[in-house]
Amino acid sequence: DGGITQSPKYLFRKEGQNVTLSCEQNLNHDAMYWYRQDPGQGLRLIYYSQIVNDFQKGDIAEGYSVSREKKESFPLTVTSAQKNPTAFYLCASSIEPPKGGYTFGSGTRLTVV
Amino acid sequence: SQQGEEDPQALSIQEGENATMNCSYKTSINNLQWYRQNSGRGLVHLILIRSNEREKHSGRLRVTLDTSKKSSSLLITASRAADTASYFCANLPAGSYQLTFGKGTKLSVIP
Repeated sequence: DGGITQSPKYLFRKEGQNVTLSCEQNLNHDAMYWYRQDPGQGLRLIYYSQIVNDFQKGDIAEGYSVSREKKESFPLTVTSAQKNPTAFYLCASSIEPPKGGYTFGSGTRLTVV
Repeated sequence: SQQGEEDPQALSIQEGENATMNCSYKTSINNLQWYRQNSGRGLVHLILIRSNEREKHSGRLRVTLDTSKKSSSLLITASRAADTASYFCANLPAGSYQLTFGKGTKLSVIP
């Protein structure tokens, strides 16, 4: 079955450490996205990529980095520069341009301890 | 980005009743979409309505779009306890390739 897989589901990080969240899709979608979700804040766009080896900053890119070396994969690194990283992170993909809906992964809940 | 706004923020109804959620946005759009999110899970795409459409149906879902008022509504008829979730609207602004999401409406359907 085609879909989008995020791992791990739960992640704990000590302050000052970088951590990488995985996102893999087998839908043959060109575009991939990373969102952050905080209670009462809805979804905020961190980074997006419309094609392999290219990506752009979203609204809240500071403290995050991404890569897009393969069409199927769009990992997100939360760096120590991100001051408040505890959140629920959602990855999504779509055809390009997104005339249809996005397909979302099941999310990664990151907690800084 | 210009986030949309959903109204109400939370809604509690009895099973069998209809649930109506509203969404407003700020810019011209290509389309508007509604998503559902169960607690702690990813979002699931429900329905898309294009800017030249006024109403669309899918099963128990009915979506309307008023581009002059920059607003949309989602109606869930004959609600079930399993409809309990958060519902988000997302618009695709004209000339953009990224959806802009609202903050969501949390729906509770009481058995």
